Amino acid sequence: QKQLVESGGGVVQSGRSLRLSCAASGFIFSNYGMHWVRQAPGKGLQWVAVVSHDDSKKYYEDSVKGRFTISRDNSKNSVFLEMNNLKTEDTATYYCAKEGALDIGGMDVWGQGTTVSVSS
Amino acid sequence: SFELTQPPSVSVSPGQTARITCSGETLPNQYVYWYQKKPGQAPVLLIRKDSERPSGIPERFSGSTSGTTVTLTISGVQAEDEADYYCQSADPSPTYVFASGTKVTV
Repeated sequence: QKQLVESGGGVVQSGRSLRLSCAASGFIFSNYGMHWVRQAPGKGLQWVAVVSHDDSKKYYEDSVKGRFTISRDNSKNSVFLEMNNLKTEDTATYYCAKEGALDIGGMDVWGQGTTVSVSS
Repeated sequence: SFELTQPPSVSVSPGQTARITCSGETLPNQYVYWYQKKPGQAPVLLIRKDSERPSGIPERFSGSTSGTTVTLTISGVQAEDEADYYCQSADPSPTYVFASGTKVTV
């Protein structure tokens, strides 16, 4: 079955960096765009970034532009989120999600998430 | 970008019908997607493109649209439907936006 497994979360001081990974299986990874979405404690879902199926196009939510970089390695069925200059407000559970199979506007497969905690 | 608005909470008795609205000025030109989120679990796509139900989603979940408002309807609510529900849309930039979510209490 289609599966996404995130890793790389942890506790980090503000200003430092962290790299999240997401391993995909059960579908043709190179055919689909991939997203990162986060949920801060007690808050709602927030879209973070998306990368096109071939790594050629990348788009970001305004609050992470210039600090976060999304990338992918289709040979390893993996997508990554490099997070630099982390802020306390980046504390959240980070989910990777697959672009919809029948359209690109939604996300039809999600991982279980990895938790990032940024301390001051 | 654009904004989406949901009611913070909806309370419903088992077996009754719950309706959750998602409003936004751009929605006549954009599709809406609905997700169910339970604590400690991954979000689940319930409805795509306003009203299409993915395979495996129970028929009691349905979506409809009227102008600037899209509605998720849960018919015959069950205890297991207690969760947070989020609508989401995307513009051509692309920018993806989630509404703040609705907590459904059964």
